[in-house]
Amino acid sequence: ETGVTQTPRHLVMGMTNKKSLKCEQHLGHNAMYWYKQSAKKPLELMFVYNFKEQTENNSVPSRFSPECPNSSHLFLHLHTLQPEDSALYLCASSQYNSGGTYNEQFFGPGTRLTVL
Amino acid sequence: DAKTTQPNSMESNEEEPVHLPCNHSTISGTDYIHWYRQLPSQGPEYVIHGLTSNVNNRMASLAIAEDRKSSTLILHRATLRDAAVYYCILREQGAQKLVFGQGTRLTINP
Repeated sequence: ETGVTQTPRHLVMGMTNKKSLKCEQHLGHNAMYWYKQSAKKPLELMFVYNFKEQTENNSVPSRFSPECPNSSHLFLHLHTLQPEDSALYLCASSQYNSGGTYNEQFFGPGTRLTVL
Repeated sequence: DAKTTQPNSMESNEEEPVHLPCNHSTISGTDYIHWYRQLPSQGPEYVIHGLTSNVNNRMASLAIAEDRKSSTLILHRATLRDAAVYYCILREQGAQKLVFGQGTRLTINP
């Protein structure tokens, strides 16, 4: 595998289900991100992890729970979602350089989530 | 975050050059201009970025106005595979986040 992979690619869940989205980056990066892309809306940054530590939560409801066990893996745990949470969820990674700059972000193909 | 303005959509023909404009009149001196594109059913991918000087890479060229209030992404010879949504994003030097707008949906006609 190369780049950023996400599983599953498609997910349908009921409002009472619990599911998890998985992201893995094979690029040796030290920063990872979750984005949400709803129909007709721009990509919205949800969470940022640097060196496995969460550094940003963009006012995301608690029904979305991220987990970053190591620098290569990122999960998004979902529970009690609403139909309006249906969207494309994208994972990305990038490299923080010792000089204080971030390289470009590499995105996965996304998970298309439908909440019934 | 400084704001960018792009046309909602553009159309061009295969094998012709494409000029995608972006206005950023409130750009600050430390803002880099980044371009990403999102092909159908894929996540965004990095295209190019620059600060003041024009930039070229294997994918595209970036022309930056002298006052830096606008820029143009140039695809020198468009192919059908270049049909995508193109995002122009300002990112302050040293900043980590990317703030995406609506972008420009580029259609390439055969």
